[in-house]
Amino acid sequence: DAGITQSPRYKITETGRQVTLMCHQTWSHSYMFWYRQDLGHGLRLIYYSAAADITDKGEVPDGYVVSRSKTENFPLTLESATRSQTSVYFCASSSTGVYGYTFGSGTRLTVV
Amino acid sequence: AQKITQTQPGMFVQEKEAVTLDCTYDTSDQSYGLFWYKQPSSGEMIFLIYQGSYDEQNATEGRYSLNFQKARKSANLVISASQLGDSAMYFCAMREPYSGGGADGLTFGKGTHLIIQP
Repeated sequence: DAGITQSPRYKITETGRQVTLMCHQTWSHSYMFWYRQDLGHGLRLIYYSAAADITDKGEVPDGYVVSRSKTENFPLTLESATRSQTSVYFCASSSTGVYGYTFGSGTRLTVV
Repeated sequence: AQKITQTQPGMFVQEKEAVTLDCTYDTSDQSYGLFWYKQPSSGEMIFLIYQGSYDEQNATEGRYSLNFQKARKSANLVISASQLGDSAMYFCAMREPYSGGGADGLTFGKGTHLIIQP
């Protein structure tokens, strides 16, 4: 299916474990983004990427790692999950980075 | 300082009435973009409307319009003839010019929870 898909939809993991959230888009958009959504904070940018092999930190990057070896994929890895990383994570993409930001359905991550 | 301020944490509105959701922003750049997204209880982020800083006319998309007052740095969302299905969280967001050669993504406000009552 065309669009932007995130997996898994829900994830429960234990403190200290590594977990990877997947994001895949079929439009060949250059720009991809990861956000986290927490009550009282709206959405905050974790990392973004302007193209394959180009990534940069956003507002809240600590504890996260990203990679982008292919244009269509932008995985987000929590190297050692902490309870403060319990959140809803959204991936987004844009062809221009100017407008046309489209979001995935989100991954609800719970760290216990 | 917050870059996007939404001063209404929650609003109750009667069905069929018009709704105005407030958004003020803070930027020193001349070129920027303003967005509104809707997030229903199912959780997805739905794009509603976009306004570029150089656009002379207010953006409109169906029942949605953006009341853009550049000098006051406000970008209020107006929903005409509200419907029960408009009940959701609404987020205002801003894109500022690139830095470091790439797109910096959007900066979001904390949202307004809109409830439409029959």
